[in-house]
Amino acid sequence: EAGVAQSPRYKIIEKRQSVAFWCNPISGHATLYWYQQILGQGPKLLIQFQNNGVVDDSQLPKDRFSAERLKGVDSTLKIQPAKLEDSAVYLCASSHGTSGWSKPMMNTQYFGPGTRLTVL
Amino acid sequence: QQPVQSPQAVILREGEDAVINCSSSKALYSVHWYRQKHGEAPVFLMILLKGGEQKGHDKISASFNEKKQQSSLYLTASQLSYSGTYFCGTEKDRLMLNTPLVFGKGTRLSVIA
Repeated sequence: EAGVAQSPRYKIIEKRQSVAFWCNPISGHATLYWYQQILGQGPKLLIQFQNNGVVDDSQLPKDRFSAERLKGVDSTLKIQPAKLEDSAVYLCASSHGTSGWSKPMMNTQYFGPGTRLTVL
Repeated sequence: QQPVQSPQAVILREGEDAVINCSSSKALYSVHWYRQKHGEAPVFLMILLKGGEQKGHDKISASFNEKKQQSSLYLTASQLSYSGTYFCGTEKDRLMLNTPLVFGKGTRLSVIA
């Protein structure tokens, strides 16, 4: 089974520029998550999708961050304009998230390799 | 509501044992454990459920103490490959589907020869 795919793996931009990250979840996984992981910290949830609907975006800085999952499969996270404090690894994860699975299995998350963003 | 992990870091020699704790001030439904090696994605290890039994994965096992709202990860006879940062992710709602996990800050484990 193919894992979660992300691109690019690395990105360096200057502050005030814009950047976009792409994620393709594991096939059949209904739930997709975007996390921000600052060096030395645990992953912090930015947004959670169930199919193409948003479940939780309470920690997404909506003045500069946006995300979409139009067809309920792959997803794009955008930052515009970027700030120095946005330097982090952006992780995408997916889980089954559908009925027919036990709740714990539904919520077990599988992570992609991440995109390391450096804002200069 | 971020869970608190302890210790923050630990250094072991090969063959030694270690315990990593994950505590929450809120009642928990489940605790998920992940290991992340430097520059790589977190990898799922196991899930502990409220009222569930202790789980095991090779020489890594975990338990969930409901009274303390604490999960402990036990690494027995550590190997060099166990090195990495261990995160717990907690889920507090057993009724809502797809509740997001809240991750701790991690415990950095280094195993040396």
